[in-house]
Amino acid sequence: DVKVTQSSRYLVKRTGEKVFLECVQDMDHENMFWYRQDPGLGLRLIYFSYDVKMKEKGDIPEGYSVSREKKERFSLILESASTNQTSMYLCASTDRGNSYEQYFGPGTRLTVT
Amino acid sequence: AQRVTQPEKLLSVFKGAPVELKCNYSYSGSPELFWYVQYSRQRLQLLLRHISRESIKGFTADLNKGETSFHLKKPFAQEEDSAMYYCALRGNYGQNFVFGPGTRLSVLP
Repeated sequence: DVKVTQSSRYLVKRTGEKVFLECVQDMDHENMFWYRQDPGLGLRLIYFSYDVKMKEKGDIPEGYSVSREKKERFSLILESASTNQTSMYLCASTDRGNSYEQYFGPGTRLTVT
Repeated sequence: AQRVTQPEKLLSVFKGAPVELKCNYSYSGSPELFWYVQYSRQRLQLLLRHISRESIKGFTADLNKGETSFHLKKPFAQEEDSAMYYCALRGNYGQNFVFGPGTRLSVLP
């Protein structure tokens, strides 16, 4: 059973703080994704990675960066958190050979005050 | 550009009634279409994809390339179908998905 875990379910940070969101998957998946989920907007892709040390910008990368030093771990970094980054953040992974199904983590609800 | 629209934010039906969640897309090639579902306090998960042509939990969806639609249907809604439903598209060559804004289905007793 695929397991995608995220480091925190709820996080409260102050404006200007550096924020790290961690995602770990245990199924040796090559592809990993970070989305933010907002009411009325659905899921929007922030960044994705097809392999270790590889990253590609998604639709809304501004204000975010990512790191993938190990295959199982994909980190999302908010360099200087702002209130408009208050959102639900979802991590997902897929297997390269069977990439039609995304496996999602439980989400991290980030509030920036 | 790839785009997915779901015109209804909220859809309420009574138990036993038919339900149709609408999804339209724009894409110049031949996309793959999916429906994902998120039940209360659960993770987002795949419900079905057009290629498999399966019926999952009584739901079906047919890809209509002429109308660029992929509507999700169920003849008799159940209370446990209440959830957030997202339509998603993936293009020919990418690994990325584009999600619609979602429709919240509420099945009333």
